[in-house]
Amino acid sequence: DQQVKQNSPSLSVQEGRISILNCDYTNSMFDYFLWYKKYPAEGPTFLISISSIKDKNEDGRFTVFLNKSAKHLSLHIVPSQPGDSAVYFCAASGSTNAGKSTFGDGTTLTVKP
Amino acid sequence: DTGVSQNPRHKITKRGQNVTFRCDPISEHNRLYWYRQTLGQGPEFLTYFQNEAQLEKSRLLSDRFSAERPKGSFSTLEIQRTEQGDSAMYLCASSLDLAGGPSDTQYFGPGTRLTVL
Repeated sequence: DQQVKQNSPSLSVQEGRISILNCDYTNSMFDYFLWYKKYPAEGPTFLISISSIKDKNEDGRFTVFLNKSAKHLSLHIVPSQPGDSAVYFCAASGSTNAGKSTFGDGTTLTVKP
Repeated sequence: DTGVSQNPRHKITKRGQNVTFRCDPISEHNRLYWYRQTLGQGPEFLTYFQNEAQLEKSRLLSDRFSAERPKGSFSTLEIQRTEQGDSAMYLCASSLDLAGGPSDTQYFGPGTRLTVL
């Protein structure tokens, strides 16, 4: 039973356009959500997070939206740049489980020049 | 702050051998996590430490796996009698748990890629 799902294995967008990566979760105990970016041969790098008390968090070109009723979150990157090409992981954790994160299987984003 | 480091970066071993990996977390971080990642999947939680205490172990962590964090600093993950199914990337992460604060953000090392022949 996968508690965090990223249903799109890959996404391709043109440079300068918006990239939207989606993530769904099933465990209502999750109250903290994170996005990580991973380049080949490196560990995941923290990108942005959101607490369940918010529905939006913005950091430069990156915005995460949380829809708790739908148990859905999304990451918007605008404008997309070729350097954003990487695997993006959605992760979720709950305050009752000591920050242990449950990850989705990732979405590979390709930004074409 | 040099980030989380892991050694070795790559390990090739024969089935049945024992292997040990090391993780050095960010110095002020009190939590340390081990994850395993296989191709096409996200990291899967194995175990975590709060300082030197190992507080949780996943059912993925069979009896052949053992982790330690002496003195609450670096950590080691040992796999005994390796099997081909153990081939994966082993990731270490650390975080700073602030009592009463929001859930902590984990910072990952580059991983150790294990290949069992």
